[in-house]
This record gives sequence, C-alpha cells and structure tokens, in this order.
Amino acid sequence: GAGVSQSPSNKVTEKGKDVELRCDPISGHTALYWYRQSLGQGLEFLIYFQGNSAPDKSGLPSDRFSAERTGGSVSTLTIQRTQQEDSAVYLCASSSSRGRSGELFFGEGSRLTVL
Amino acid sequence: GENVEQHPSTLSVQEGDSAVIKCTYSDSASNYFPWYKQELGKRPQLIIDIRSNVGEKKDQRIAVTLNKTAKHFSLHITETQPEDSAVYFCAATNQAGTALIFGKGTTLSVSS
Repeated sequence: GAGVSQSPSNKVTEKGKDVELRCDPISGHTALYWYRQSLGQGLEFLIYFQGNSAPDKSGLPSDRFSAERTGGSVSTLTIQRTQQEDSAVYLCASSSSRGRSGELFFGEGSRLTVL
Repeated sequence: GENVEQHPSTLSVQEGDSAVIKCTYSDSASNYFPWYKQELGKRPQLIIDIRSNVGEKKDQRIAVTLNKTAKHFSLHITETQPEDSAVYFCAATNQAGTALIFGKGTTLSVSS
C-alpha cells in the first residue's frame, strides 16, 4: 500500500469489553511498532516487532494488552477488559530497517474511547 | 531500557526568533537520534536525524547537535515561521534493533 493503514479510525467501547486494533504496514517493511498517545501526552512505546525476532513487549502497560504480527505483515493490538484509562490514540508505525535505524512511517492512528 | 527526557514541554516564540529544544537519554549505547514533527491532527513525521558519528547536522533552518559524553542532543530552528508551530518529539535508539523511544514532546507556538 501507499502508507501505513490502521483500522478502525475511531472506536467507542464500554468498560470491560475487549477491542482489537489493526495495522497494515508498508509492504516490505520488516519493523513494526505500536505507540499510545494520550491527550497532550507523548508517544508511549508499547511493542516492537522486527522480522522474525521475538517482539520487544517491554512497553505493554499490563497483561490486558497483547499484540501479534502474522506472516511478518499485518499486526493486531488487543486490549482485554478495557478501562477508561485505556482511552487514547493508538499509533502504528513501520520501518524498512533491518537491525539498523531508519525512518518510521506512522499510520493515522486508531482513536479509542472507553466509556 | 532507554529513557528520553525532553525540555521544555511548551515553547512560545515570535516569528523570526530561534527555538531550541533539548533532550537527554540514558542508554550510552544509543547511537541514532531522530526528531519528529506532529502538526495538529496529523501523524508524526521525521524532520531530521543524527547518528553518533557526527556532532551536528543541518538542513536549511533546522539543525541538530549531539553531545555523546553528556548524553544530550538538541534541535535548533532558526527564523521560525508560523508553520513551524507543532509538537516536536525527540527519540533515541541503538542499531541493535531495539525500540525507538520518544520524549514526551514540546509544543512549539510561533506567533506572527
């Protein structure tokens, strides 16, 4: 695709429900990141996938958060038993770097609102 | 793991003035330091980056300096314009393929 695609763009859910957020990275990009951006806050690192290596999950805030990347392409971020503090914009980014630094290309984000 | 601190959190300047944003990092192994700009309602985009083998890099009105000994790096914007108004994020990582960690951002406002 032309860029990183995320869906849904907006999601409103009730507290306690599970949500899934999808990221479709730029074709051929081996690195994929999930970040969380709360209102007026920075880019909080959540998880990082690099090729076939084990993902870096060190940023996940609790065991309610998980992510997978199938076939080295599409990634899904799952939040179980959502809480109001999970409300934020979830940004996905991909990069062509292979164990080297490189520009991150961000998606438009998925805005999650937990009522 | 890496920790990146960014200052100030907000910065207001008059058009034509210079703006400086500073960041410190904790991991001495970090050797790649990009800066991203996020305009209101848009996604972050890379504006400039620097690697540890150089101390300064310039691109038109934007420059970045790096002091590896002190573990800090700075973004300098000269002759600021209203369209420079945005949130700026610094970040750091090392080339071992670890995650890119961002600072909390600086909201720059340029008034005409």
